[in-house]
Amino acid sequence: SYVLTQPPSVSVAPGKTARITCGGNNFGSKSVHWYQQKPGQAPVLVIYFDSDRPSGIPERFSGSNSGNTATLTISRVEVGDEADYYCQVWDVTRGVFGGGTKLTVL
Amino acid sequence: QVHLVESGGGVAQPGRSLRLSCAASGFTFSSYAMHWVRQAPGKGLEWVAVISYDGSNKYYADSVKGRFTISRDNFKNTLYLQMNSLRPEDTAVYYCARDPSRIVVVTSTFDYWGQGTVVTVPS
Repeated sequence: SYVLTQPPSVSVAPGKTARITCGGNNFGSKSVHWYQQKPGQAPVLVIYFDSDRPSGIPERFSGSNSGNTATLTISRVEVGDEADYYCQVWDVTRGVFGGGTKLTVL
Repeated sequence: QVHLVESGGGVAQPGRSLRLSCAASGFTFSSYAMHWVRQAPGKGLEWVAVISYDGSNKYYADSVKGRFTISRDNFKNTLYLQMNSLRPEDTAVYYCARDPSRIVVVTSTFDYWGQGTVVTVPS
């Protein structure tokens, strides 16, 4: 079964840049999507098709996909960005999520 | 604006059944594939099932295959998840989510989510 690997946690100071990685095999053939989930809330799509941003998502959020690693980058991090972040791909006939990364804003 | 509202959650004993519903509004429901995604307490997201825009194609996670059935009523703008033979490990918040595509494609994603309904199966 297809597996996506994320670091359990990432910490960053306000105003700095946070990078959250997502590892998987043969990423080049897949589109990677990213979700933000704050405590007690439903997930929100923040990046789709590797690097596209839905309307309403700040330009501070960006994505990239190269080789076997996709990266969600959050520039000029704000306290309100503190949340769990999940990467996701579609594998043949099923959806696959990474284990999630807790972003802590110090 | 897109609005998805889940209902039907509750407490069910092991081996019993529940049916979840997801009422959709603010978009042409019959033009989109729809998914169920769940999240066990304190855990990550787990994809459960998907149905194409017309109900002709359905796929399931291995963990629920043969026990859960996804369906839709495009006249009522409602998505369903029939959950049979429930197990304690099915305890989770269940979200319905919209796919931007009509059918399941390699780029499938979830662009809108409901607020979820809680299912508890005590051990």
